[in-house]
Amino acid sequence: DAGVTQTPRHEVAEKGQTIILKCEPVSGHNDLFWYRQTKIQGLELLSYFRSKSLMEDGGAFKDRFKAEMLNSSFSTLKIQPTEPKDSAVYLCASSRTGKDTQYFGPGTRLLVL
Amino acid sequence: SQLAEENSWALSVHEGESVTVNCSYKTSITALQWYRQKSGKGPAQLILIRSNEREKRNGRLRATLDTSSQSSSLSITATRCEDTAVYFCATDAGGTNTGKLTFGDGTVLTVKP
Repeated sequence: DAGVTQTPRHEVAEKGQTIILKCEPVSGHNDLFWYRQTKIQGLELLSYFRSKSLMEDGGAFKDRFKAEMLNSSFSTLKIQPTEPKDSAVYLCASSRTGKDTQYFGPGTRLLVL
Repeated sequence: SQLAEENSWALSVHEGESVTVNCSYKTSITALQWYRQKSGKGPAQLILIRSNEREKRNGRLRATLDTSSQSSSLSITATRCEDTAVYFCATDAGGTNTGKLTFGDGTVLTVKP
């Protein structure tokens, strides 16, 4: 089985731009997570889907961050408009369901100038 | 405040030595997971230990769980240079059905030749 895939692996954006990050979960997994990872804040949950339904939308990230899951095999994370403080690694993970192992993708490294 | 945290920010050992990473948490859990993240990659699960288990092994790795003191440890024996990584503990929200995990800040382990 293929693991979690994320594209692009690297993204450079100008302040104010809109960027869309993509994630394909492991086939058959029901839960999908978006995280942001920085050295200072560590791993922060941005969004959590179960069977395509949004279960949690990280409170601090609601205004400019929007995750969607239009089908069970694809999710996007839109950041609009980007700010320099959004520079981080964005990780997508999926799990079968419940409190199971989370399988992470390699991440997208975003730099906002 | 952190719901899960490792007790050391960084550890350094020489190849062949043993090392232990400790973790404390603050909520009731169903299970605790240990993840490892190598440079440029997403975290990967090493061990999942359930609240009714006291010890779990996976090759050179051994995890313990003490629910009374809300603490866990991950021991690595016969360390290798390729064990160099960041090690995270992650806890679920016991008593709920959510798949959400709370990750600690991570312990940076360096294994020197």
